[in-house]
Amino acid sequence: ELKVEQNPLFLSMQEGKNYTIYCNYSTTSDRLYWYRQDPGKSLESLFVLLSNGAVKQEGRLMASLDTKARLSTLHITAAVHDLSATYFCAVDKRGGSEKLVFGKGTKLTVNP
Amino acid sequence: NAGVTQTPKFRVLKTGQSMTLLCAQDMNHEYMYWYRQDPGMGLRLIHYSVGEGTTAKGEVPDGYNVSRLKKQNFLLGLESAAPSQTSVYFCASSSSPSVGTQYFGPGTRLTVL
Repeated sequence: ELKVEQNPLFLSMQEGKNYTIYCNYSTTSDRLYWYRQDPGKSLESLFVLLSNGAVKQEGRLMASLDTKARLSTLHITAAVHDLSATYFCAVDKRGGSEKLVFGKGTKLTVNP
Repeated sequence: NAGVTQTPKFRVLKTGQSMTLLCAQDMNHEYMYWYRQDPGMGLRLIHYSVGEGTTAKGEVPDGYNVSRLKKQNFLLGLESAAPSQTSVYFCASSSSPSVGTQYFGPGTRLTVL
């Protein structure tokens, strides 16, 4: 059974600081997704990582995938308040299972 | 282009009542999904569909039924609502599981008293 673990689950940081959110998964997969959810809102796709070594960057966020370690990271550079949200990673089992398994999410709060 | 829409946005039910949640997408996606989101639990897959006329069980299917009579619509039914089904329900769709991300609807907040 595929399990996805994120840590930390809660993260409070100051503006201007850097931090990394980790996403570990239990079985082989080549596809990993990061989503953002603002309070009371739906999920918005941030990154799609489709191969080992994939790196994607958008603004202050950078995501990477290491399929051998079964690990993805979401790195935040020089955080700003607008990045406050809950971030989810989701993994698709190798072989195109058609289903995603989500982590429990990391609630990020960026304080002035 | 509305993307993925859900009806209704909010609903309060009494225990034992039934209801149907409607999900519609205008992106011609083959794959559609129903999730529930509970505090501290992330998203859990209830049922999904890989094309018109098909449905399959996800992680937490008990107490729910689904139908995909038209490609653009995916219905989630609760035959006899229970307080444990109080949750936020999200519908999603995708064009292909191999390369495509899932696009999510705005959600339905359901309370069962």
